[in-house]
Amino acid sequence: KNEVEQSPQNLTAQEGEFITINCSYSVGISALHWLQQHPGGGIVSLFMLSSGKKKHGRLIATINIQEKHSSLHITASHPRDSAVYICAVRWTPDKLIFGTGTRLQVFP
Amino acid sequence: DVKVTQSSRYLVKRTGEKVFLECVQDMDHENMFWYRQDPGLGLRLIYFSYDVKMKEKGDIPEGYSVSREKKERFSLILESASTNQTSMYLCASSPIPEGANQPQHFGDGTRLSIL
Repeated sequence: KNEVEQSPQNLTAQEGEFITINCSYSVGISALHWLQQHPGGGIVSLFMLSSGKKKHGRLIATINIQEKHSSLHITASHPRDSAVYICAVRWTPDKLIFGTGTRLQVFP
Repeated sequence: DVKVTQSSRYLVKRTGEKVFLECVQDMDHENMFWYRQDPGLGLRLIYFSYDVKMKEKGDIPEGYSVSREKKERFSLILESASTNQTSMYLCASSPIPEGANQPQHFGDGTRLSIL
């Protein structure tokens, strides 16, 4: 069983739709990361959070520590949001455990 | 901005060759990491280093070694490349202390094919 589960694995949306990607984990953590990987490989850190909610532009990330669950929301989605979104949990100070990612495609 | 630079975006090598993947970061970060990424498996940690000449095994170190002679450079070495090491390799760095406000910064990745 994976310690970090993401859903859905693949997601398609029309431009303008509200998108939610979910992440559940089974280990105790100190922080959770949301990463974005564009075609070609480069990974960008979107958020790191240990409680509550963070917002950056059209992106919102929430975490519920008690329920071991986090969500990434994209409002007013755009084709340039098409990417793989990866959830990663900080299990020890030196190690991240990664989910397998959610592939998002937004069509015009 | 933090810059993590991997020496090659694409690399093709033959079975049995010794392969070097280089990673350089320009933000004086103490921690550096090598991951491989395979479809359906996500990112898996191969090795990490928390200081010059220091290294720790990650989840899948077999078949790999690393070198950290200078703080800014972390090299991944495939001692004798095999076809099951065909993968995307990603380098990352982060400062100490690791904490809720210290993200890892990733390079663009090296797509390695072993023929």
